Amino acid sequence: KAGVTQTPRYLIKTRGQQVTLSCSPISGHRSVSWYQQTPGQGLQFLFEYFSETQRNKGNFPGRFSGRQFSNSRSEMNVSTLELGDSALYLCASSRTGASNQPQHFGDGTRLSIL
Amino acid sequence: TQLLEQSPQFLSIQEGENLTVYCNSSSVFSSLQWYRQEPGEGPVLLVTVVTGGEVKKLKRLTFQFGDARKDSSLHITAAQPGDTGLYLCAGPASKTSYDKVIFGPGTSLSVIP
Repeated sequence: KAGVTQTPRYLIKTRGQQVTLSCSPISGHRSVSWYQQTPGQGLQFLFEYFSETQRNKGNFPGRFSGRQFSNSRSEMNVSTLELGDSALYLCASSRTGASNQPQHFGDGTRLSIL
Repeated sequence: TQLLEQSPQFLSIQEGENLTVYCNSSSVFSSLQWYRQEPGEGPVLLVTVVTGGEVKKLKRLTFQFGDARKDSSLHITAAQPGDTGLYLCAGPASKTSYDKVIFGPGTSLSVIP
């Protein structure tokens, strides 16, 4: 069974640019959550999508947005990049997104802002 | 504000030693999950504990959920280099929180051959 796939694995951008990250969940999983992981703040929840609708949103600025397609694939967009956006961005999928369900994580996209 | 604290932050031990890492909160959680994250990879779920006082064993790993469901521990017996990684605990956030899931900051474990 294929796991969660995130592309690209590495990305280098400069301040002010925008970026789009992609996540393909495990087949049959309809919930996709995105997280930002940094050494200082750890893993922080960005948002969750279920059936193409944003169901939960963490405390991040509006520059961070996402969407989910009918095949459950999800994209995350960050506009007007700042140095502090350098991080590992992880997505996780689960069947329904119930909070006690196991989440299956991808290996992340490492974003570096110069 | 719900917070999960983990201790120690870093741990370096010799192969064959035993160790315990802790996950604590002042809030009650309906469940807690433990993940292990290896360098360059995403976290992988190890276990979910649901009932206060529950003990679960996974080979050399023993997980315990506190009676009051505010804390949890992970004990590793006879650690091996393959146990090296970042151990994260996580729990569902309260309905008043922005977050859906709260993660602790993690314990970085290094097992030296």
